[in-house]
Amino acid sequence: EVQLLESGGGLVQPGWSLRLSCAASGFTFSSYAMSWVRQAPGKGLEWLSSISGSGSSTYYADSVKGRLTISRDNSKNTLYLQMNNLRLEDTAVYHCVKGVRAPAPIDFWGQGTLVTVSS
Amino acid sequence: DTQMTQSPSSLSASVGDRVTITCRASQGISNYFAWYQQKPGKVPKLLIYAASTLQSGVPSRFSGSGSGTDFTLTISSLQPEDAATYYCQKYNSAPYTFGQGTKLEIK
Repeated sequence: EVQLLESGGGLVQPGWSLRLSCAASGFTFSSYAMSWVRQAPGKGLEWLSSISGSGSSTYYADSVKGRLTISRDNSKNTLYLQMNNLRLEDTAVYHCVKGVRAPAPIDFWGQGTLVTVSS
Repeated sequence: DTQMTQSPSSLSASVGDRVTITCRASQGISNYFAWYQQKPGKVPKLLIYAASTLQSGVPSRFSGSGSGTDFTLTISSLQPEDAATYYCQKYNSAPYTFGQGTKLEIK
């Protein structure tokens, strides 16, 4: 059974940093691209970043490029998202997802971790 | 970057109705296209991938069609449990943009 368990969210002030983690199990982690998707309260889904199975290729949305860094440790089956210089508009639930990269869509979502940026 | 435009943004339909939601890509994306369903308080669920392939376990009343720039999600006979927000997504290449969502309500 596939499981994705995010952690690391919380309440932070603008300008602070945060690192999210996602512990994966139930599949061969290193064989799959992984991504982060967020959803602000009452809003739609926003793809943020993806990383290839080996970790050699990374991709970012223009809206977060330069502030977010995706990484993975295949020996620990864990995905990370380092978020720097957080802004009020970064307040959202951050989901770790299995996928996405052609030809595979997102086929499993973690429950998410809430990041609240407030002064 | 390729933009994904869904329509309508919301709709209300009755049980048994045939419902259609569309998504248009600003550039061709072949068939690297998916539909997701998100019920209130839940995480999204993959319904359809490769534009028209039904994910395992998804009821056959859901179907997808299209290729290139224009895609359609059809629910052949709407059920009460289909009340949700539906999102499209391109995955031919990054950025893997979502549509803005279509909120489907049951009358």
